[in-house]
Amino acid sequence: DQQVKQNSPSLSVQEGRISILNCDYTNSMFDYFLWYKKYPAEGPTFLISISSIKDKNEDGRFTVFLNKSAKHLSLHIVPSQPGDSAVYFCAAENNAGNMLTFGGGTRLMVKP
Amino acid sequence: ETGVTQSPTHLIKTRGQQVTLRCSSQSGHNTVSWYQQALGQGPQFIFQYYREEENGRGNFPPRFSGLQFPNYSSELNVNALELDDSALYLCASSLSPLAGASYNEQFFGPGTRLTVL
Repeated sequence: DQQVKQNSPSLSVQEGRISILNCDYTNSMFDYFLWYKKYPAEGPTFLISISSIKDKNEDGRFTVFLNKSAKHLSLHIVPSQPGDSAVYFCAAENNAGNMLTFGGGTRLMVKP
Repeated sequence: ETGVTQSPTHLIKTRGQQVTLRCSSQSGHNTVSWYQQALGQGPQFIFQYYREEENGRGNFPPRFSGLQFPNYSSELNVNALELDDSALYLCASSLSPLAGASYNEQFFGPGTRLTVL
């Protein structure tokens, strides 16, 4: 069973517009959530994270929102840039801290 | 600061063979985790090593084994290779919560692409 799901395999957005990537989870023991970006031939790169005690975390153009009651998080990128084109993975962790559970990824394409 | 490095970059093996993949941690990190990423899927946790001992394991059979060395580098060994073992193998290093870090923010290497024929 998939404990972390990204239901959109791909997303296409015009440069300058907002990109919204979604992620759902089922395990209520998860209390820390992360977004990673992955380019071809590279490992995932950490982007932004959020603890379950918060509902929003912002870092420059990137904002992550967490809705615990819905077990849903989203990543907003504003404004989107062509260099943001990559595969985005959400991941979740519990406070045992020894493993990340990843979603299947969403491929974002930002068109100039 | 040196990032996470992995070797080799690519590897081709045949069914039944054994393989060893290597990982060097980022400077200052004491924990290594290994993940398998099949094509079109997210990374799946294999196991984690802290202080040279296994500190958590995912749903992988015993033919997947690992080692961590005193310098925190690590190896992933897979015996009796199967076709389904073809994947990108990712190593990630971090500072363990057991050592006082808040959460296990992991930094990934570029991966080793294993093809089993």
